[in-house]
Amino acid sequence: QSVLTQPPSVSAAPGQKVTISCSGSSSNIGNNYVSWYQQLPGTAPKLLIYDNNKRPSGIPDRFSGSKSGTSATLGITGLQTGDEADYYCGTWDSSLSAVVFGTGTKVTVL
Amino acid sequence: EVQLVQSGAEVKKPGESLRISCKGSGYSFTSYWISWVRQMPGKGLEWMGRIDPSDSYTNYSPSFQGHVTISADKSISTAYLQWSSLKASDTAMYYCARSSGYSDGWGQGTLVTVSS
Repeated sequence: QSVLTQPPSVSAAPGQKVTISCSGSSSNIGNNYVSWYQQLPGTAPKLLIYDNNKRPSGIPDRFSGSKSGTSATLGITGLQTGDEADYYCGTWDSSLSAVVFGTGTKVTVL
Repeated sequence: EVQLVQSGAEVKKPGESLRISCKGSGYSFTSYWISWVRQMPGKGLEWMGRIDPSDSYTNYSPSFQGHVTISADKSISTAYLQWSSLKASDTAMYYCARSSGYSDGWGQGTLVTVSS
């Protein structure tokens, strides 16, 4: 049972924007950096955002991250069919002394 | 280029033991943790634990402590995930990942199927 809560699914038309929330607590998001991962169907996860809002090289600026208090948000603009995937947030939980992942959000491009 | 290459799919019976591997290349293997992540069929990601290959210090999720063993052999840049007695509920895809606060390189996954 994950300690980080995400909406099960979000959807939008091509070219539109979606946001995915990740809700936690002071023991995880509130005091640690958040990362985001994209998992395309049948593939391994891929790092999209690290340290709340930084993009690894090669990740387009259509993907953005932010954090406020005990919640984080992933934004995807200019939605493309290739963005259809599951997205997970992740962070360190100081109480558990463990990495925790969010429940995952499926993005559908209508 | 950072690469993590995992061992192939396994089919085992309940009660059997198993060790799967993850070989790193393209970077200094001892400079990053290796994490293991479970993904049960149709489910989300679960962090199992991690190892510092430089000294084999490990850190387990409370959910997996005592159920699996993580080890590494830095001489061959390889990390391992091991079970002494598999259960049907261990059926899942297992990923290794290079970690340093976040995981920026992932293996292709090893599918473990446990069935009588």
